[in-house]
Amino acid sequence: SQQGEEDPQALSIQEGENATMNCSYKTSINNLQWYRQNSGRGLVHLILIRSNEREKHSGRLRVTLDTSKKSSSLLITASRAADTASYFCATPGDMRFGAGTRLTVKP
Amino acid sequence: DAGVIQSPRHEVTEMGQEVTLRCKPISGHDYLFWYRQTMMRGLELLIYFNNNVPIDDSGMPEDRFSAKMPNASFSTLKIQPSEPRDSAVYFCASSFRWEKQFFGPGTRLTVL
Repeated sequence: SQQGEEDPQALSIQEGENATMNCSYKTSINNLQWYRQNSGRGLVHLILIRSNEREKHSGRLRVTLDTSKKSSSLLITASRAADTASYFCATPGDMRFGAGTRLTVKP
Repeated sequence: DAGVIQSPRHEVTEMGQEVTLRCKPISGHDYLFWYRQTMMRGLELLIYFNNNVPIDDSGMPEDRFSAKMPNASFSTLKIQPSEPRDSAVYFCASSFRWEKQFFGPGTRLTVL
């Protein structure tokens, strides 16, 4: 079974709103990665957070990591229609992906 | 760098035929992954290589599937014989160490 599990499975918001999705994992990690997949395309790496980091920013993305709870969250601020995609988390040593969070941003 | 290259991009074949998918990873990457994606099963890890050596093939569905990596710049995924349930998008990805996978555009396989 996969290491990373995302929730919610689906999220629908209006353009301009923030979107938060979560990831839980099972074992100790060195880092955790978030990916985006647009329909029919390969996954694209968004951001990597290391186990000694608690928060990391990249543009409109903010990722947090709580190693005590074995969980991570991805926040997309001021969402745009172009953010509509599926989002996945993954950890080294077990590059199996969960079902992802399907985000729909309505214009 | 051109990124991860996969060929063919689309493949339509008949049940029972042999199918070979190809992947050229990014130069310098030491990990290569093969994934399969369907609506029903999501994104499944089939096999991955480290320095051309297969490390974990537990995701390979059955003996009809085989993968090779004869050198650092080329890998193949072969299905023989193919079946309609093998229809999916097959992705190849590569990475340096365990960080930041780069995915290819995928091969859409249809088995009639």
